[in-house]
Amino acid sequence: AQKITQTQPGMFVQEKEAVTLDCTYDTSDPSYGLFWYKQPSSGEMIFLIYQGSYDQQNATEGRYSLNFQKARKSANLVISASQLGDSAMYFCAMREDFINAGGTSYGKLTFGQGTILTVHP
Amino acid sequence: AAGVIQSPRHLIKEKRETATLKCYPIPRHDTVYWYQQGPGQDPQFLISFYEKMQSDKGSIPDRFSAQQFSDYHSELNMSSLELGDSALYFCASSAGALDTQYFGPGTRLTVL
Repeated sequence: AQKITQTQPGMFVQEKEAVTLDCTYDTSDPSYGLFWYKQPSSGEMIFLIYQGSYDQQNATEGRYSLNFQKARKSANLVISASQLGDSAMYFCAMREDFINAGGTSYGKLTFGQGTILTVHP
Repeated sequence: AAGVIQSPRHLIKEKRETATLKCYPIPRHDTVYWYQQGPGQDPQFLISFYEKMQSDKGSIPDRFSAQQFSDYHSELNMSSLELGDSALYFCASSAGALDTQYFGPGTRLTVL
């Protein structure tokens, strides 16, 4: 079963407008982390924002905010005041915080399919 | 700020050859992850190391092996390369498994 779902293969937004990229997740683990990464056409993977499952407030990092709705299992990324440089692929990812007997969490990330964002001038 | 370093950035190999990818984590990061991203796909977890011990294993072929050394750098060794191994290989590092993972620029492997 898909653990991370991004239902928008592509999104378009006008420069200076806000845009929301959707992400839903599925886990039975009570402790987990949700991440958004940006991948420009050059290929690197850039960390944008993190939300922990126990965080009471939505995460914000500059123009990025994460709309975390735990009951709905959604973690949408909101980009305010879009810029041309925001055009890229955006991945939502989840880390399930499994703690083994040795006290070590595995920590691997599971990614969604990605959303290509295009910002028009 | 120092970032994750990966080398080489690009690699072209023939089928059945071997390749070694190197990863130098951010200083004081003790956890390293390897991911494979095929064309048009999302990154897939291969393997991870914590304090020089393998901590988790994903969909890594038996032809691939990896290790983390005493200086925390990691190497991914790939043998009997196949056309389907052509992909972008990322290394990521974190200060423990519950910390944010920061990715290197990736190694783009092309198998001809």
